[in-house]
Amino acid sequence: GENVEQHPSTLSVQEGDSAVIKCTYSDSASNYFPWYKQELGKGPQLIIDIRSNVGEKKDQRIAVTLNKTAKHFSLHITETQPEDSAVYFCAAPYDTGTASKLTFGTGTRLQVTL
Amino acid sequence: GAVVSQHPSWVICKSGTSVKIECRSLDFQATTMFWYRQFPKQSLMLMATSNEGSKATYEQGVEKDKFLINHASLTLSTLTVTSAHPEDSSFYICSASLRGGGNQPQHFGDGTRLSIL
Repeated sequence: GENVEQHPSTLSVQEGDSAVIKCTYSDSASNYFPWYKQELGKGPQLIIDIRSNVGEKKDQRIAVTLNKTAKHFSLHITETQPEDSAVYFCAAPYDTGTASKLTFGTGTRLQVTL
Repeated sequence: GAVVSQHPSWVICKSGTSVKIECRSLDFQATTMFWYRQFPKQSLMLMATSNEGSKATYEQGVEKDKFLINHASLTLSTLTVTSAHPEDSSFYICSASLRGGGNQPQHFGDGTRLSIL
């Protein structure tokens, strides 16, 4: 199976600063890496994902970088705003042969302060 | 696009009753749906994977007879918690993807908070 580690578990930044969350994975065959944002009492929302044929992907203030050699990928949020406060989860796939599933990281609680 | 609706959002019921949770993909056909359980301040724990028209595949340690899953169509999967007890209280979340799951985006519903008295 896949082992995903996520750091830090909590992150507090001031509004306007950048936030970086890092994840490592164990299965070198993994080729798809999504990031989810979960607000209190809601389900996770896919915010960005990256496939192994690219090293970086950007969508406005959010970017994800992937280093396949080192088996780690990171989420970068620039110009943070209070509404970015949430729990963020990274994930990586593992294929059991019958269905591809996701293993989630332990989550990062991001707090953006005024 | 890729909207997943989960119903109900909140259930409170007495111990011993069965509870059914519905998961619908509203604007796409979901070949595969997943059911997760999440405890407070913890990550998502996969319970089972369901493919339309076939039996669900359960993760190790998840009781099949306790958590009945039906995926009758490409847009609907249901999870029934049978004879629920207080220890079954949790946040249950479904997700849906076009095919497989690991290499295609999983889109999540907003979860069902189940409280067993």
